[in-house]
Amino acid sequence: RKEVEQDPGPFNVPEGATVAFNCTYSNSASQSFFWYRQDCRKEPKLLMSVYSSGNEDGRFTAQLNRASQYISLLIRDSKLSDSATYLCVVKPPGGGATNKLIFGTGTLLAVQP
Amino acid sequence: DTEVTQTPKHLVMGMTNKKSLKCEQHMGHRAMYWYKQKAKKPPELMFVYSYEKLSINESVPSRFSPECPNSSLLNLHLHALQPEDSALYLCASSQEFGQSQNQPQHFGDGTRLSIL
Repeated sequence: RKEVEQDPGPFNVPEGATVAFNCTYSNSASQSFFWYRQDCRKEPKLLMSVYSSGNEDGRFTAQLNRASQYISLLIRDSKLSDSATYLCVVKPPGGGATNKLIFGTGTLLAVQP
Repeated sequence: DTEVTQTPKHLVMGMTNKKSLKCEQHMGHRAMYWYKQKAKKPPELMFVYSYEKLSINESVPSRFSPECPNSSLLNLHLHALQPEDSALYLCASSQEFGQSQNQPQHFGDGTRLSIL
C-alpha cells in the first residue's frame, strides 16, 4: 500500500460544479496534512493546511478523518482557473530525519467552460 | 509571486559541463530542501538542510552536490549529469525541520534542466 494515495483523475467538471477529492494515508500516526495545487510546468503552491476540526477558505473546504485515515478537499463553484493538479501531502510521525513530507501522485482537475 | 527564488529558470547543459542551481529565501526559514520532479510525478526529495547543516541525503548520486553557504541560500552543484537527470528541480523552505507542528514547505518556481 502506498503511503499516500490519490485518484489520479482526470476530473472533468463544468464551471460552477462542486468537486471533491479524497486522499488516503497509511500511517495512522501522521501529524500534519496539506493540500497543494500545481499548475502545468509550475511549482507546487500551498492551497491549505488541513486541521482536525476541518477548515474552510472561500470556496475550498478541507476535512480530516483520522479514524478512516483520509483527507478530502471540496471545491465549490468551480472556476476555469481551478484547473490544476491537486497534491495531497502528509507529514509522518516522528522527528528529526524522519520528518519528511510524503506526496501523493496528485489529482488532475480540468474545469470546462 | 513566490518568496523562494530560484535561478536560472531554464538550463541546458551537456553531460561534461559543470553548472550550479541557486535558491534564495528571505523568510527567516531555517530548513531548506531540494526536490527533483519528473513530468506527471510528484516531487522527490533529494536533500534537506537544517540550520545550514545537511540533515538528509536521499541516496542522491554524487554528481549532485548541495551547498548551504548561509541561512538564506542553497546551491546545487551539477557535474557529469546523465540525460535521465533532465527534470524540474525545486527548492523549498520551511520554518524548521523535524518539528511536530504544522509547518508547510514553500516552493520556488523551479529550474527546468535539460541534459543533452
